[in-house]
Amino acid sequence: GQSLEQPSEVTAVEGAIVQINCTYQTSGFYGLSWYQQHDGGAPTFLSYNALDGLEETGRFSSFLSRSDSYGYLLLQELQMKDSASYFCAVREDDKIIFGKGTRLHILP
Amino acid sequence: EAGVAQSPRYKIIEKRQSVAFWCNPISGHATLYWYQQILGQGPKLLIQFQNNGVVDDSQLPKDRFSAERLKGVDSTLKIQPAKLEDSAVYLCASSRTSGSSEQYFGPGTRLTVT
Repeated sequence: GQSLEQPSEVTAVEGAIVQINCTYQTSGFYGLSWYQQHDGGAPTFLSYNALDGLEETGRFSSFLSRSDSYGYLLLQELQMKDSASYFCAVREDDKIIFGKGTRLHILP
Repeated sequence: EAGVAQSPRYKIIEKRQSVAFWCNPISGHATLYWYQQILGQGPKLLIQFQNNGVVDDSQLPKDRFSAERLKGVDSTLKIQPAKLEDSAVYLCASSRTSGSSEQYFGPGTRLTVT
């Protein structure tokens, strides 16, 4: 079966940097993606890593290590609007499996 | 381009009643997904369509849930009869191709079963 582990909550200060980790166990792994979801909103796609290494998109970066079955999302220059839940999701064959999500709290 | 549309946004029903949700995906997106998201958890895939064919419905409780995408465009998800544990947000998503990691989600339907 598949499993994804990510912290349930993370707290950081506005302007700082925070890293949200994700470890996974799955067969037929194709890649790891990240989604953001604000309270009452729909998940929105942030990034996708199919190969090892770091992908940068503005203030957000995502990293993957296939040999360690591990990835992380890095958020820099945190803003209050970044307060949300962040989900890692693995692509296994033709479907996406989501983790339980990490609730990010940002303190002023 | 217009996003994924869903209706209704909210629905309250009593247990054992039936309910239906509607989804219209982004134009040109061949793949459509229905997810169930229980409060505090990640979205759980219920069914995935490629055009009007089912790709995966392994987690769909088929004794009470059904879904169709007859013309390969919009889709309906039905629950009959509903149980208390069906209270959740039902999200529809679409993507250009099957298994794409970049999925576009609709606003969801929040279902409360009393």
